Amino acid sequence: GENVEQHPSTLSVQEGDSAVIKCTYSDSASNYFPWYKQELGKRPQLIIDIRSNVGEKKDQRIAVTLNKTAKHFSLHITETQPEDSAVYFCAASKDTGFQKLVFGTGTRLLVSP
Amino acid sequence: EAGVTQFPSHSVIEKGQTVTLRCDPISGHDNLYWYRRVMGKEIKFLLHFVKESKQDESGMPNNRFLAERTGGTYSTLKVQPAELEDSGVYFCASKPLGGNTEAFFGQGTRLTVV
Repeated sequence: GENVEQHPSTLSVQEGDSAVIKCTYSDSASNYFPWYKQELGKRPQLIIDIRSNVGEKKDQRIAVTLNKTAKHFSLHITETQPEDSAVYFCAASKDTGFQKLVFGTGTRLLVSP
Repeated sequence: EAGVTQFPSHSVIEKGQTVTLRCDPISGHDNLYWYRRVMGKEIKFLLHFVKESKQDESGMPNNRFLAERTGGTYSTLKVQPAELEDSGVYFCASKPLGGNTEAFFGQGTRLTVV
């Protein structure tokens, strides 16, 4: 089955710096890669996703890149702000509308003012 | 529109007791998923309902876990008898049937077995 690895487990940056979180997946049939952000005590929320037919997607300060050949994808946050502090999870799925998400172990991002 | 809601938010029980978690998905969402996060590890899939039918229960740890979704609306996850290793945060997620859409998560139930 699918296996997703995520690094780093913790990441501390200064406000205004960039943050990069990397994930690798094992199943070449996976074609949907969402990123979820979970703030303390709150529900995981989708912040961006990418499908295997594109290599990059951007939404304001957040971008995701996908390398299908190497089977890895990354989340990039620019101009980080304290409110970006949270746990970020990557996931992979064979998105047929039914399939389960396979998650990475999460990255705790701390943005210091 | 109300989001996915889970009850209770926290539960502390003794080893050997029974606990029932409840999930109310977003109205009209036929897909309902249960996931669990054990301390510091990944969010792991437990099972998936489409309406009232179990589509995939490959992630259920053992037969101490029983999930139901009678009538295809809310779902319950019962753990009986609970063991220490069942501690973790149990998440429910829902999404509409068909199409490539986002899965919406509940806030989770933090279960502690002592």
